[in-house]
Amino acid sequence: KAGVTQTPRYLIKTRGQQVTLSCSPISGHRSVSWYQQTPGQGLQFLFEYFSETQRNKGNFPGRFSGRQFSNSRSEMNVSTLELGDSALYLCASSHRDAEAFFGQGTRLTVV
Amino acid sequence: GQSLEQPSEVTAVEGAIVQINCTYQTSGFYGLSWYQQHDGGAPTFLSYNALDGLEETGRFSSFLSRSDSYGYLLLQELQMKDSASYFCAVRRDDYKLSFGAGTTVTVRA
Repeated sequence: KAGVTQTPRYLIKTRGQQVTLSCSPISGHRSVSWYQQTPGQGLQFLFEYFSETQRNKGNFPGRFSGRQFSNSRSEMNVSTLELGDSALYLCASSHRDAEAFFGQGTRLTVV
Repeated sequence: GQSLEQPSEVTAVEGAIVQINCTYQTSGFYGLSWYQQHDGGAPTFLSYNALDGLEETGRFSSFLSRSDSYGYLLLQELQMKDSASYFCAVRRDDYKLSFGAGTTVTVRA
């Protein structure tokens, strides 16, 4: 079956702009989590959605938001982009609690 | 809050054994997972421990001691393809999955 799909793979934006990233989970998975990965910082948890509801939230400013649709697809939005938002954004879907399946990520560069 | 500590780097030769330790502090602990990530790739699931003890999957094993808030990943018969970053991750009872900063394993010939 198809894996987790993230679009776009690469993105270049200017400071002050906003961006929307998309994630399609594995079919049947209702939990979708988002992470920000920067060199040396590991994977920082952004938020998690389950059945269209935000179930958990990390310690990121309100400029970072997300949502989940009835088909479990999820989007995350970052408004008023800053240079420090340049990172790899990873989406993971889960069916059972033990294992998360990751997409290839979206590489965001803010210039 | 919560925190996970793991070494930043480990270097070993082919055929050797490497142990990556992970200590954690969290409320509502549910289980400890391990993930592997190659440069430019996505993290992939390796193992999961919810109960104390050792879980073995081929050349990789993972251990958990809930009373010590400690776990480790054991990589045996190291191969060049094992060069990657390895992350421990805590699953809480509210389903949140949080990751450590990762350990870069370099395998030398």
